[in-house]
Amino acid sequence: AQSVAQPEDQVNVAEGNPLTVKCTYSVSGNPYLFWYVQYPNRGLQFLLKYITGDNLVKGSYGFEAEFNKSQTSFHLKKPSALVSDSALYFCAVRDNTGGFKTIFGAGTRLFVKA
Amino acid sequence: DSGVTQTPKHLITATGQRVTLRCSPRSGDLSVYWYQQSLDQGLQFLIHYYNGEERAKGNILERFSAQQFPDLHSELNLSSLELGDSALYFCASSPSAPGELFFGEGSRLTVL
Repeated sequence: AQSVAQPEDQVNVAEGNPLTVKCTYSVSGNPYLFWYVQYPNRGLQFLLKYITGDNLVKGSYGFEAEFNKSQTSFHLKKPSALVSDSALYFCAVRDNTGGFKTIFGAGTRLFVKA
Repeated sequence: DSGVTQTPKHLITATGQRVTLRCSPRSGDLSVYWYQQSLDQGLQFLIHYYNGEERAKGNILERFSAQQFPDLHSELNLSSLELGDSALYFCASSPSAPGELFFGEGSRLTVL
């Protein structure tokens, strides 16, 4: 069965510093991987996805993620954090064997301090 | 604005009652997904419909049911409500697999 793990409940960074939000996955076959962001009292918003191709994926708001097949990881990164990046971040994996349900990690809360 | 519309935004009801949550997907999207988000359970997949047919089921209770209508809108019915059903219920739509999901703003259900 597919699963996603986000090992950190919370990540704290200072504004201007690089940030990393970690994600590891377990899936049969080729993974379809996603990152979403949720601001307070809002729905989730899509940031980026990996389907195939280049292991470094660029997404919205300056975020990028690196797919590492050997480590089954898909960490979210940003070179320079902004206070406005503070939110809840979800990693997700999509079942590509039928049904196409998307399973989400538990989420990581990012705090960016000015 | 994701283009996915959910109603109602807020709902307060009593234990034992039944409610219906409604979702209109983005124009042209055939897939609708329902998720439950609670503080202690995270984002739990409930059910997926594609063009009116059920495609996948997750941790959906027998007291809950859903359907997708010919106009592609979907409804999630929650019955015999319990305190533990209090949560945010999200609907998401997707144009195709393996595309990303577009989420609505959610329906916040409070069961008293």
